[in-house]
Amino acid sequence: AQTVTQSQPEMSVQEAETVTLSCTYDTSESDYYLFWYKQPPSRQMILVIRQEAYKQQNATENRFSVNFQKAAKSFSLKISDSQLGDAAMYFCAYNNAGNMLTFGGGTRLMVKP
Amino acid sequence: KAGVTQTPRYLIKTRGQQVTLSCSPISGHRSVSWYQQTPGQGLQFLFEYFSETQRNKGNFPGRFSGRQFSNSRSEMNVSTLELGDSALYLCASSFLAGGLGNEQFFGPGTRLTVL
Repeated sequence: AQTVTQSQPEMSVQEAETVTLSCTYDTSESDYYLFWYKQPPSRQMILVIRQEAYKQQNATENRFSVNFQKAAKSFSLKISDSQLGDAAMYFCAYNNAGNMLTFGGGTRLMVKP
Repeated sequence: KAGVTQTPRYLIKTRGQQVTLSCSPISGHRSVSWYQQTPGQGLQFLFEYFSETQRNKGNFPGRFSGRQFSNSRSEMNVSTLELGDSALYLCASSFLAGGLGNEQFFGPGTRLTVL
C-alpha cells in the first residue's frame, strides 16, 4: 500500500520569508500524481499545487513551487514571500487510482508577522 | 457557481445509532469522494462514486456505506456508531473521473460527535 509521510508536524516562518515543507512517499507505481492541499481553520481543503510523476519539470503556481525528486520519492513544497493568509495545515497527497487520495499526516504552518 | 455543500454541518449522536450525511457536488460534477478526518488517523479515504457506481473503497468496516443518486448527490451512512467514528467527514467532487490528477473540490465537512 502506498504511504505518504510528512515529517514536520509544525513549521513557522516570518512574513515575507520562504519556507519549505517536506513530504516523502512510498509506491511501486510509475504513473501517479502528487498534490499539496491547504486546510485553513475553516477546515475547507483547497488545492495548492499538483505534479504529474512523468513530468520532470517542477510545478509552479505563483508563490508556490515544488521540488519533485522521483527517484528519492520526495515532494517538497516551497512557499515564497509568505503571507499571513498562508497559515494553515498543509497536506501532501498521492493519487494513482481514480480520484482516491492518500494523505500524509499534515504540517501546521504558522506565519509570524 | 455554488461550491460543494454538506449537510448537516454538525451532528451529535449516541453509540449504537446510525447516521446519514449528505453531499451535493458542484453542478456538473459527477464524481464524489468521501474522507474521514480524525486527530489520530488523519485523513482517510472512505469511497468514491461516479455515475451512481462505487469506483474505489477505502479500508473501512462494512458499517460505513454510501450511495450516489442520479443527480450526483451522494450520501454516506454509518450504522451502529462507535465512539471512534467521531470525526470530520469531508466530501469532494470532481468533474472528471477517468485518468489521474483530477482537481477535486472539497466541501466544508460534517462534524460528527458520537457520545
